[in-house]
Amino acid sequence: DAGITQSPRHKVTETGTPVTLRCHQTENHRYMYWYRQDPGHGLRLIHYSYGVKDTDKGEVSDGYSVSRSKTEDFLLTLESATSSQTSVYFCAISAFRDREHQPQHFGDGTRLSIL
Amino acid sequence: DAKTTQPPSMDCAEGRAANLPCNHSTISGNEYVYWYRQIHSQGPQYIIHGLKNNETNEMASPIITEDRKSSTLILPHATLRDTAVYYCIVRVVHQAGTALIFGKGTTLSVSS
Repeated sequence: DAGITQSPRHKVTETGTPVTLRCHQTENHRYMYWYRQDPGHGLRLIHYSYGVKDTDKGEVSDGYSVSRSKTEDFLLTLESATSSQTSVYFCAISAFRDREHQPQHFGDGTRLSIL
Repeated sequence: DAKTTQPPSMDCAEGRAANLPCNHSTISGNEYVYWYRQIHSQGPQYIIHGLKNNETNEMASPIITEDRKSSTLILPHATLRDTAVYYCIVRVVHQAGTALIFGKGTTLSVSS
């Protein structure tokens, strides 16, 4: 299994509070992604990173920010959490090797509930 | 990315082969067929991807038709741990930073 650790695995918090989710990888892969998974919507990309300090928006980036100060860590921040951000959040990583983008590998997710 | 169609559910007896179909009639020449699965409460797990019938691994074998309009993922000897939702995804392999589009997939139930 790809060396991806997401923390925390579960979190319950209140509307309006800031929340930071962490994704840590031990594979030294260049690309990292944050998705959310909701019933009826499948997985949707929030933000991704293509290198240290290099990030870009995905399909559902409003209300989220990210940071990547080291290759191994990709942080997702909800500045002021809302109930609509209750979801399961998955981190994924991928490499560029043999002149090809390799498949994405996923962590086990963070279940976030905002009351 | 080309659209894919999969049956919503399938059953399989433990130890038997599970054949998971996927239709992708609008696939273009530079698009690969990727297979992922998601076991309950876990993240999606990459299984395999291929362009034609030249890829296989210890987990599964994808069979792609000559015209590339459909595929079947074969799990040769299904076990209870193979119970999961299986996703077929078609995309160009040289894509950086783009989302994988997971459809509804096929829920495979393996029973003893």
